[in-house]
Amino acid sequence: EDQVTQSPEALRLQEGESSSLNCSYTVSGLRGLFWYRQDPGKGPEFLFTLYSAGEEKEKERLKATLTKKESFLHITAPKPEDSATYLCAVQRGFAGGTSYGKLTFGQGTILTVHP
Amino acid sequence: GAVVSQHPSRVICKSGTSVKIECRSLDFQATTMFWYRQFPKQSLMLMATSNEGSKATYEQGVEKDKFLINHASLTLSTLTVTSAHPEDSSFYICSASLWLIHTDTQYFGPGTRLTVL
Repeated sequence: EDQVTQSPEALRLQEGESSSLNCSYTVSGLRGLFWYRQDPGKGPEFLFTLYSAGEEKEKERLKATLTKKESFLHITAPKPEDSATYLCAVQRGFAGGTSYGKLTFGQGTILTVHP
Repeated sequence: GAVVSQHPSRVICKSGTSVKIECRSLDFQATTMFWYRQFPKQSLMLMATSNEGSKATYEQGVEKDKFLINHASLTLSTLTVTSAHPEDSSFYICSASLWLIHTDTQYFGPGTRLTVL
């Protein structure tokens, strides 16, 4: 069974204080690892997809990296508007049938950035 | 690009009634759509996978007769909660799958808050 564990559960930062969020995963044949941002009362917003170990992607103050067992979401000089829940999800390789492409999500990290 | 809408955004109904939620991909065609349920301070739980023109595939523990899914076109999927009860109150989110580079990426709708009285 695929498993995704995110840490910490909650993270409080001061504006400008850089940090990292962790996503540890176990999956049979990783096809993709996804990062989403979710604001309260809204659906998740797509951030990144990582496909293979060693891959990195950046978007504004966010940088996602991937190893064979975990992914990190680095936040550089965060601002209050970066406050949200960050979700990590894995997608396994083709398993056949009509469940192709489904994601397994972690519990999320609630990030709060204080001005 | 890759915008997904849901309607309604919020619904309150009486116990025993049925509620229909629509999910549309606005600027792309999605062969696969997914329905999730999210309880307060918890992550997303997949309920079912829906393919256009096919019967939905439900996750273990999800009642097919209670949560009816129809995927009539490449841009529209509907979830009907039949004979709703207070325990069905939750945040329901759909996603539509778009192929990007190496794999399908799910783009999510804004969610529907269902409250059953």
